[in-house]
Parts: sequence; structure tokens; C-alpha cells
Amino acid sequence: GDSVTQMEGPVTLSEEAFLTINCTYTATGYPSLFWYVQYPGEGLQLLLKATKADDKGSNKGFEATYRKETTSFHLEKGSVQVSDSAVYFCALSDPGGGATNKLIFGTGTLLAVQP
Amino acid sequence: DSGVTQTPKHLITATGQRVTLRCSPRSGDLSVYWYQQSLDQGLQFLIQYYNGEERAKGNILERFSAQQFPDLHSELNLSSLELGDSALYFCASSVDSEFYEQYFGPGTRLTVT
Repeated sequence: GDSVTQMEGPVTLSEEAFLTINCTYTATGYPSLFWYVQYPGEGLQLLLKATKADDKGSNKGFEATYRKETTSFHLEKGSVQVSDSAVYFCALSDPGGGATNKLIFGTGTLLAVQP
Repeated sequence: DSGVTQTPKHLITATGQRVTLRCSPRSGDLSVYWYQQSLDQGLQFLIQYYNGEERAKGNILERFSAQQFPDLHSELNLSSLELGDSALYFCASSVDSEFYEQYFGPGTRLTVT
């Protein structure tokens, strides 16, 4: 079945460092891909999305490109801030013939940014 | 604020009991999803309703059930609770069933003692 694999955390960075969180997926169809962020004690917020190959999603300085050839959707940010400290989830939605966009999540990556 | 509301925020109960979690979707959203977040299983899809009807089922135990009412709010019922049911339960909503992103509520933290 469909699955998402993302890099284990925690990832600890200094402020203004470059961030990459790797995410790869397995899907039978043509999924949409998402990054969600969960701040401490809160629910999940959609960070960015891409719905087809070569699409680039971007928001708040974060970017991710849908790479069909490598089945990847890595999250990047050029300069992280302390306020970016959170858990980041990669997810896919693959409706196929099932008429549902239920999300399949990776295990989450904890990012800790130090001043 | 996503516009999705969940009550209660916290729930503490004993093994063997039954609880009901409530979710109100964003205005205009027809689809409601329930997810469970636990330390050992991560974030797992439980069940989806679309405009009052069950649309998809995931790893939902037989002791759990859900429904979506005519006003589109949804309830997740958990019965014969076990210690392992302790988790964060999230509700999410979307406009449609297939191609729209989901917006998550703040979650209900269930503790079974």
C-alpha cells in the first residue's frame, strides 16, 4: 500500500542555518503531497502542497518540489528561525478510484532551532 | 485558527468506559476525517464521512464508531476503552472528498487510566 518515509529526528540547527528534511513516498497512483507542521500543544497546520510532478510548493520561506523520478518531496528552508521549532510531517493523498483524499503520514521529524 | 473545532480538549477516563468526541467542521466543508496520533503508531487515519455518509475506513477498531449528522458535525465514539487507546484524536475537514486539502482541529487528548 501507499506509504511515506521521512528522516528520523530530532534535527537540531542553529538559527539561520539551512534546513533539509527528507521525504520519500510509495504510491500506486498519482498522489498529492503535503507538508504539515505541528507546533507544541497544537494541531496540524498545512505548510505547503504539490499536486503533480515538478510542482513546487512554497510558504513562509519553506519549499518542496514534487520529484516523480525519485519519489521524493524534500522540505527545505534557507534560513531557519527559533520560531520554526516544531514537528514536521510529510503526507500523501492518493484518491485513486476510492474517491477519498485520506492522508497517509510519515512519522514526523522534530526540528529544534537554537538561538 | 483553522475553523475546525473539537470538544473536549482533554478527557480522562477509566478502562472499560465509553466516551464521545465531537467535531465541527469549517463552514462549507462537507467532508470530515478522524485521525489518531499516538507515540507507537504515529498519525493514523481512522475514518472519513462525506455529507453524512461513510466514505472511507482506515485502521479503526471495532470498538470505535463514528457518524456525521445533518448539520455536518461529527462524533467519534470510543467504547470498552483500553490503556492503549490513550492518544490525541484529531478531526479534519475539507470542502470535497477528493482533491482539497484538509484543515485540522486542535485535537482531543484522551487519557485512559
